[in-house]
Amino acid sequence: AQSVTQLDSHVSVSEGTPVLLRCNYSSSYSPSLFWYVQHPNKGLQLLLKYTSAATLVKGINGFEAEFKKSETSFHLTKPSAHMSDAAEYFCVVSDSNTGNQFYFGTGTSLTVIP
Amino acid sequence: NAGVMQNPRHLVRRRGQEARLRCSPMKGHSHVYWYRQLPEEGLKFMVYLQKENIIDESGMPKERFSAEFPKEGPSILRIQQVVRGDSAAYFCASSPGQLLEAFFGQGTRLTVV
Repeated sequence: AQSVTQLDSHVSVSEGTPVLLRCNYSSSYSPSLFWYVQHPNKGLQLLLKYTSAATLVKGINGFEAEFKKSETSFHLTKPSAHMSDAAEYFCVVSDSNTGNQFYFGTGTSLTVIP
Repeated sequence: NAGVMQNPRHLVRRRGQEARLRCSPMKGHSHVYWYRQLPEEGLKFMVYLQKENIIDESGMPKERFSAEFPKEGPSILRIQQVVRGDSAAYFCASSPGQLLEAFFGQGTRLTVV
């Protein structure tokens, strides 16, 4: 079965310091992995995606993520947090065996302290 | 190219009424997904449709919920005889192909009073 585990439900960082949001997945097949961001009362915006090309994926707003198959991880990072980064972040997995679903993690709420 | 459009953004219904949620996918996208987000939770898959066909409805409650994606017009998620537990945010996503990246709408926030 496919699943996504976001290890931290809440992360708090100071503005200007690095961000690390952790995600582990389980998948029997070659997965596609995504990170989405959701600002309060807004829809979801795609930050970045991994689909079996380069393992280090660069996304929008300075975010990037590295696919590590040996660790089944896809952690999201950013070198320097900005106040506007405060939001909910979702790690998502899909693969050819999930049928037609994108599986969402439970989300990580990022707080940025001025 | 407009994004995925959902309307209404907010919907209030009394218990027992019907709720109808609309989703217009991005231009050129023929794959539509519906997800439900309960407070403090992630998104749960409900149904996946292609034009005029329901491909996977494994996440849909067996009763009161239905979805369609007609040849012309938006995809509709219909909830009959709503109950308080149906209160949630309902998100629609569209994709140009199966399991390619999905683009999400702003969601419809349903409140049942």
